[in-house]
Amino acid sequence: GAVVSQHPSWVICKSGTSVKIECRSLDFQATTMFWYRQFPKQSLMLMATSNEGSKATYEQGVEKDKFLINHASLTLSTLTVTSAHPEDSSFYICSARDRNYNEQFFGPGTRLTVL
Amino acid sequence: GENVEQHPSTLSVQEGDSAVIKCTYSDSASNYFPWYKQELGKRPQLIIDIRSNVGEKKDQRIAVTLNKTAKHFSLHITETQPEDSAVYFCAARVTYDMRFGAGTRLTVKP
Repeated sequence: GAVVSQHPSWVICKSGTSVKIECRSLDFQATTMFWYRQFPKQSLMLMATSNEGSKATYEQGVEKDKFLINHASLTLSTLTVTSAHPEDSSFYICSARDRNYNEQFFGPGTRLTVL
Repeated sequence: GENVEQHPSTLSVQEGDSAVIKCTYSDSASNYFPWYKQELGKRPQLIIDIRSNVGEKKDQRIAVTLNKTAKHFSLHITETQPEDSAVYFCAARVTYDMRFGAGTRLTVKP
C-alpha cells in the first residue's frame, strides 16, 4: 500500500512553545489529508480535514488558531500546535487519501508531550 | 454528522475461538466501512473494508458483514491467534469524513 510518513515521531516541549508536525505522502498524491488526535486508550478523533491548496475544515470544538494546518502541496501537510500546554499532550496521527482510492493511509503518528 | 458506535469495548477469547465486534452508524449516506487494527503506539492498519453495495466480504480468517437497512456492520475473526490481540476500530465514511468507533480491545489468550 501507499506510504505516509510523519515527522517527528515524538517531541517534548515546554509549555508555551509551538510545535510543527509534518505529514508526507511518499508515493502518491494526497488530495485530502486528515489530522487525528488520540488520547491513551481512546479512539481517533478527527481534528480537521484539508484539501490541497485550500483552507482546512476543522471539527467542532477544535480551535483553528491553536492547531494551524497547512496543506501546501499534494504530498505535504503540516500541523502546528501553537502555544502548547500540557493538555495538548497526545498522539497526533495524520492520514492521506488519494482521489483514486477509497483507503486512507495513516502516518506512524507523533507523540507530543508538553511539560 | 456521522456517529459510529462500537461494541464491546473489551473482548477476551481463548485461542482458536471466534471473535465478533459490532458497529452501528447513523448516517445512511455512509458508503465505505473499513476496519483497522492498532497495536500499542503504532498507526492503525487497515485489515478489511466493505462498500455499501456489498453485504459480506471475507479475507482468510477475517470477514465483515454489512446490513444497510439496520445500519450496522460487524467484524468476524475466526480461529483467533495471540497475535490478533490489539485494538480494533471500525469506521464509516461519507465522502471525505471518516468517523471511528471507540475501539475494541481484543485479547486472545493462549
